Amino acid sequence: DAGVIQSPRHEVTEMGQEVTLRCKPISGHNSLFWYRQTMMRGLELLIYFNNNVPIDDSGMPEDRFSAKMPNASFSTLKIQPSEPRDSAVYFCASSLIGTGGYNEQFFGPGTRLTVL
Amino acid sequence: KNEVEQSPQNLTAQEGEFITINCSYSVGISALHWLQQHPGGGIVSLFMLSSGKKKHGRLIATINIQEKHSSLHITASHPRDSAVYICAVEEGGTSYGKLTFGQGTILTVHP
Repeated sequence: DAGVIQSPRHEVTEMGQEVTLRCKPISGHNSLFWYRQTMMRGLELLIYFNNNVPIDDSGMPEDRFSAKMPNASFSTLKIQPSEPRDSAVYFCASSLIGTGGYNEQFFGPGTRLTVL
Repeated sequence: KNEVEQSPQNLTAQEGEFITINCSYSVGISALHWLQQHPGGGIVSLFMLSSGKKKHGRLIATINIQEKHSSLHITASHPRDSAVYICAVEEGGTSYGKLTFGQGTILTVHP
């Protein structure tokens, strides 16, 4: 398996532009997580899906952020309009969560977003 | 919300030294994860444990549920162990893997 795939790996955009980050989870995994990492705040969970359904989006900073998972093999995180304070590394991770609950998460390589 | 604290924040060691990184949390959990982030930025899962001890090569992770504390040990450290080590907890009562992260420990191992 190729692991979790994220695109683009780097994104530079100007304030006010729409940004779309993409993630393909590991085949067979039923849970997908979007994280943001900054120097100031470290790793933070933004939103996670189970069986393509958003379970908890309490980490989404504001209405400018939205995430979708139209099917089991694809998810997007959109920022519209983008602001300089959105500059961060965005990670996607996937996992197979069963009745036992916890399970290892596999992280993608991340997308480094810079908003000028 | 669970508060996850790691210590130390920065750690410098000489090759061959035994290293310990600590993690404490405030609320009961179902599992604790240790992650490694290399300078290139990629994150890999090292351990996931809910009790006792686990060992992978030179790495050992322990957890004490009663004391709400976990440790990550590296024996015979090597410069390639230089990375950020992140502790994350999975809240009890959930089955969906939601993680709360510590701030990370930056480890530098000199040859």
